[in-house]
Amino acid sequence: DQQVKQNSPSLSVQEGRISILNCDYTNSMFDYFLWYKKYPAEGPTFLISISSIKDKNEDGRFTVFLNKSAKHLSLHIVPSQPGDSAVYFCAASRSNDMRFGAGTRLTVKP
Amino acid sequence: DADVTQTPRNRITKTGKRIMLECSQTKGHDRMYWYRQDPGLGLRLIYYSFDVKDINKGEISDGYSVSRQAQAKFSLSLESAIPNQTALYFCAISLGQNYGYTFGSGTRLTVV
Repeated sequence: DQQVKQNSPSLSVQEGRISILNCDYTNSMFDYFLWYKKYPAEGPTFLISISSIKDKNEDGRFTVFLNKSAKHLSLHIVPSQPGDSAVYFCAASRSNDMRFGAGTRLTVKP
Repeated sequence: DADVTQTPRNRITKTGKRIMLECSQTKGHDRMYWYRQDPGLGLRLIYYSFDVKDINKGEISDGYSVSRQAQAKFSLSLESAIPNQTALYFCAISLGQNYGYTFGSGTRLTVV
């Protein structure tokens, strides 16, 4: 069973605009949420995280929002840059169990 | 040196063969993990270890075994490889709960 879902396999945005990547989860016991970015031929790299006691965390151009009642989190990238083109995975964690979504491929067009 | 090194980067093997994927780290983290990535399924946990004497099964451990030879080394074995084990395999390390993982560059395994 996929407890973490990214329903959009791909997203294309124009350089300078906002990218919004979405993620839904089913297990209300998850208490920590993360986003990873993956370039081809490399492993995923940690991008940003948020604890379940918060609803927003910001780091430069990247902001993660958490809506616990909807079991939904999103990653906003503003402004988007061509170098942001990659596959983005969301992950949800409880205790020692971290589950990943299937990923969304973001393409930022110049 | 990379924080997490996986060898080999690519491997093609035949059905029924035993194969070992190796992972080493330079960060001194206690927690190490093996994941596999399949298209449309994301990353799924195979095994994890919190120290040399600690081995735990993940979501999809059947058909796999692991060995934590030292704090820095964690290897994954396929005792008798089958075609549906064709996937991209990642090793990861972590400082602890609620920390992001550091991943290796992956091993692309093809079982024919």
